[in-house]
Amino acid sequence: AQSVTQLGSHVSVSEGALVLLRCNYSSSVPPYLFWYVQYPNQGLQLLLKYTSAATLVKGINGFEAEFKKSETSFHLTKPSAHMSDAAEYFCAVSGSLGSQGNLIFGKGTKLSVKP
Amino acid sequence: DAGITQSPRHKVTETGTPVTLRCHQTENHRYMYWYRQDPGHGLRLIHYSYGVKDTDKGEVSDGYSVSRSKTEDFLLTLESATSSQTSVYFCAISEQFAGSTDTQYFGPGTRLTVL
Repeated sequence: AQSVTQLGSHVSVSEGALVLLRCNYSSSVPPYLFWYVQYPNQGLQLLLKYTSAATLVKGINGFEAEFKKSETSFHLTKPSAHMSDAAEYFCAVSGSLGSQGNLIFGKGTKLSVKP
Repeated sequence: DAGITQSPRHKVTETGTPVTLRCHQTENHRYMYWYRQDPGHGLRLIHYSYGVKDTDKGEVSDGYSVSRSKTEDFLLTLESATSSQTSVYFCAISEQFAGSTDTQYFGPGTRLTVL
């Protein structure tokens, strides 16, 4: 069975500092991995996804993530945080459920950005 | 933005009453999903649909039923609402099944409070 663990329910960084949000996955098959972002009172939107084409994936708003099979990780990074990055971030892995599959989400990491 | 609307956006109801939430899409996507979001739990799949009149259970389906009579509409019904069903409910759509690399697009959410 597939699962996702996000380390740290809250992360706080200063504006301009590196953002690092951690995600570890468990999967018995080669995984497809996703990062979604949720701004306050909104739905989720896709930041980036790993589909096995390249281990370093670039997404929107300057975010990127690196798939490391040996570490079963897919951590999200951004070199320089902006106030507008304050949001909740969810890592997800594609799983199997019935005949159609599903997305399995981590519990989320809330990012705060201090001026 | 994907054309997904949810109605109502907010609802307060009493224990024991039936509640129906509606998800409407204009993208003609085959797959539709209902999730609930609770603090500390991330998003959990309630039910999903892989075509008109084709639905299946997710991981937290007890107390919920769904129907899909048209491609564009996916209804979630709480037959007899309980306080444990107080949550934010999100609808999502995708062209391909969730076990693939396909992106899920999320609606804005419905905040449901059961008193």
